Amino acid sequence: NAGVTQTPKFQVLKTGQSMTLQCAQDMNHEYMSWYRQDPGMGLRLIHYSVGAGITDQGEVPNGYNVSRSTTEDFPLRLLSAAPSQTSVYFCASSKPGLAGRTGELFFGEGSRLTVL
Amino acid sequence: AQTVTQSQPEMSVQEAETVTLSCTYDTSESDYYLFWYKQPPSRQMILVIRQEAYKQQNATENRFSVNFQKAAKSFSLKISDSQLGDAAMYFCATNSGYALNFGKGTSLLVTP
Repeated sequence: NAGVTQTPKFQVLKTGQSMTLQCAQDMNHEYMSWYRQDPGMGLRLIHYSVGAGITDQGEVPNGYNVSRSTTEDFPLRLLSAAPSQTSVYFCASSKPGLAGRTGELFFGEGSRLTVL
Repeated sequence: AQTVTQSQPEMSVQEAETVTLSCTYDTSESDYYLFWYKQPPSRQMILVIRQEAYKQQNATENRFSVNFQKAAKSFSLKISDSQLGDAAMYFCATNSGYALNFGKGTSLLVTP
């Protein structure tokens, strides 16, 4: 099994450009999420989904869109890239655990995005 | 909002020695999970250990163990017999609804 697959692994954008980070999982996990990692900030939640057709905002959603048309896929769209969106992005998936809250996260390998 | 605090931005340990990484958290939930993830220079996020809050027994995985103090909301990670391959960023996390809430991380340096 591939687990969680993210593409691309590296991307350079110019300010104002748009792009989509792809994320796919083959573990039939209900929950999926996107995080950004910045030095000294840990991982911060951008958006998450609890199933096909259901998404919600996390801690830092501004400038990002998501959709979940299938259980497997959860793409992250940058609408108009800004230098502040330079970061490493992680997609993750999980199954429900206690009381329906998430269990262990399975991560993709990360995508390093630079916005000039 | 739930918060996870890792008060040690950097730690250093000699090979074969023991090191403890600290983590405190704040939650209003009664049932929850706690996690430690390792991130080596490869950037991959690797689960080290998991603790269910309703279990009193501390979780152990080979050389990794936790000291879980539920009343104090403390969840420290002990690495015994440290190896060069343990050098990495370590993140503490708790499940916050449908995602995890992470601390800012502790960078562990292992010296020969």
